[in-house]
Amino acid sequence: QKEVEQNSGPLSVPEGAIASLNCTYSDRGSQSFFWYRQYSGKSPELIMSIYSNGDKEDGRFTAQLNKASQYVSLLIRDSQPSDSATYLCAVEDTGFQKLVFGTGTRLLVSP
Amino acid sequence: ETGVTQTPRHLVMGMTNKKSLKCEQHLGHNAMYWYKQSAKKPLELMFVYSLEERVENNSVPSRFSPECPNSSHLFLHLHTLQPEDSALYLCASSHNPTGQDSPLHFGNGTRLTVT
Repeated sequence: QKEVEQNSGPLSVPEGAIASLNCTYSDRGSQSFFWYRQYSGKSPELIMSIYSNGDKEDGRFTAQLNKASQYVSLLIRDSQPSDSATYLCAVEDTGFQKLVFGTGTRLLVSP
Repeated sequence: ETGVTQTPRHLVMGMTNKKSLKCEQHLGHNAMYWYKQSAKKPLELMFVYSLEERVENNSVPSRFSPECPNSSHLFLHLHTLQPEDSALYLCASSHNPTGQDSPLHFGNGTRLTVT
């Protein structure tokens, strides 16, 4: 069974700080990686995708991928209280051609 | 209307009831999914349909029965559920069932409570 591991948190950061969310995965052959944000009582929404090693930036969000270490992270710069949510890491399971989700990391940004 | 829409948003049912969840996507996607989200657990994939054909049934109990009449609509028929089936049920769609550039787009979910 392929696994995706995330620290459940909560991760608490002050407004304006950088929030760093981490994810490790077990499937060495995975090629597609996604970060979803889920507000309480809402459905997950896609915020970042990354497919190759290195960094990918989109506004205040940066996804980082290291396939050798089987590690993917999400950095949120200038964190805002509105960023408070659960962040789900999803990794492609190459054996069954589906996404495997982590349990999510809860982020709390305090004003 | 755009995106993925699910109805109802909330559902309370007894163990002997029969109900159905409905999902509709307006994104022109070819794949549709049912996921179950329970507290403290990862999203669990239940069913995958690609071009109206079921391509994955992730060992889901037969009390859950999916139906995909066309590429835009997906149903989940429920009967004789158990209290442990209480969860958030999420419908999603993607352009293709797998691979890059096929992220999932989720509906708002149905919060199901089985009494």
